[in-house]
Amino acid sequence: DAGVTQSPTHLIKTRGQQVTLRCSPKSGHDTVSWYQQALGQGPQFIFQYYEEEERQRGNFPDRFSGHQFPNYSSELNVNALLLGDSALYLCASSLAAGGGDEQYFGPGTRLTVT
Amino acid sequence: AQSVTQLGSHVSVSEGALVLLRCNYSSSVPPYLFWYVQYPNQGLQLLLKYTTGATLVKGINGFEAEFKKSETSFHLTKPSAHMSDAAEYFCAVTTRGGYQKVTFGTGTKLQVIP
Repeated sequence: DAGVTQSPTHLIKTRGQQVTLRCSPKSGHDTVSWYQQALGQGPQFIFQYYEEEERQRGNFPDRFSGHQFPNYSSELNVNALLLGDSALYLCASSLAAGGGDEQYFGPGTRLTVT
Repeated sequence: AQSVTQLGSHVSVSEGALVLLRCNYSSSVPPYLFWYVQYPNQGLQLLLKYTTGATLVKGINGFEAEFKKSETSFHLTKPSAHMSDAAEYFCAVTTRGGYQKVTFGTGTKLQVIP
């Protein structure tokens, strides 16, 4: 049973460019959450997708957008990249049963903006 | 609103000594509480969680944590540290009945000295 997978593993982009990160949830999971983890910090919640809709959003600008596909996989898009967007981006999947259910995390995508 | 405070960004213990990582939370409603571990260049792995019931929670790798409502604490302990415990540990909180927006602490890096 494959866990949460993310691609690519590493990515280097230039300021002002756009980037798309991808996530496949654990088998049987229908909810995907995205987190940004800056160096030396805890993960910060970006948003969560369920039934192809954004269900909740953290304190991130509109440059951060996402999508969920019918097979529950998800994409995170970041436009007009800033140096401060350099971070590890984590995807987590779970069942849509509300708080208390374990979120399974992928290994992350390391984004470097130069 | 919910928040987590982890006391001590770095903790060093000798191999075989007690591990104590501190976490205090703030939540306007009864919380669900988690401890995650992150090894270098990897995603997060759930150690244990508190939802309801018994306030002493046992997790993987010999870790346990006790939910103390009166102290709003959820400290993580392990009786005897092993070299393989060296990693970063994150305390996290979410709220019951809502969607799984998880708020993480800033993390505690555990060093185990041989």
